[in-house]
Amino acid sequence: AQSVTQLGSHVSVSEGALVLLRCNYSSSVPPYLFWYVQYPNQGLQLLLKYTTGATLVKGINGFEAEFKKSETSFHLTKPSAHMSDAAEYFCSGGSQGNLIFGKGTKLSVKP
Amino acid sequence: GAGVSQSPSNKVTEKGKDVELRCDPISGHTALYWYRQSLGQGLEFLIYFQGNSAPDKSGLPSDRFSAERTGGSVSTLTIQRTQQEDSAVYLCASSLGGPGNYGYTFGSGTRLTVV
Repeated sequence: AQSVTQLGSHVSVSEGALVLLRCNYSSSVPPYLFWYVQYPNQGLQLLLKYTTGATLVKGINGFEAEFKKSETSFHLTKPSAHMSDAAEYFCSGGSQGNLIFGKGTKLSVKP
Repeated sequence: GAGVSQSPSNKVTEKGKDVELRCDPISGHTALYWYRQSLGQGLEFLIYFQGNSAPDKSGLPSDRFSAERTGGSVSTLTIQRTQQEDSAVYLCASSLGGPGNYGYTFGSGTRLTVV
């Protein structure tokens, strides 16, 4: 069965620190992999999407994700956290039809 | 429209009543999806419409849940005889074709509270 797993339901970083949000997928999930962000009381917004053949995918607001087939991972990073990055982040993927979503990681940014 | 529109934004209903949730997708998007978001549970797939094909209803949790999409555009999710466990945020999304090329565009959701 297809699955997307996010490690850590809550991550807290200091402003200016590296952000690393982890996502692992089952081998049947690609070729579609995405990260979405949900700000409080809002719907989900697309942050970035995996493109077949790429290893590093750039998204909005300075976020990037690295596709590692050998580790079945698609971790999200940002070199320097900003207060406005505080939100919930969802990894998702699928091979056809509907997308499967991870349970989300809530990112807190401390001043 | 410019985005995916959902109505109502909030709905409080009494246990046992029926509710209808509406989704107006982006014009021209052939695919429409319903998900349910419960606290700490991520997004649970409910149903998926693609063009004129039969919908994928594999995620509907019980026969109290149904959805239709009229004219390839607006969709209504109906929950009959609501239960307290139906309380959640119901999210609608649409996409141009399947999800692979462009991902989804989500609406802001309908927060359903069953009392």
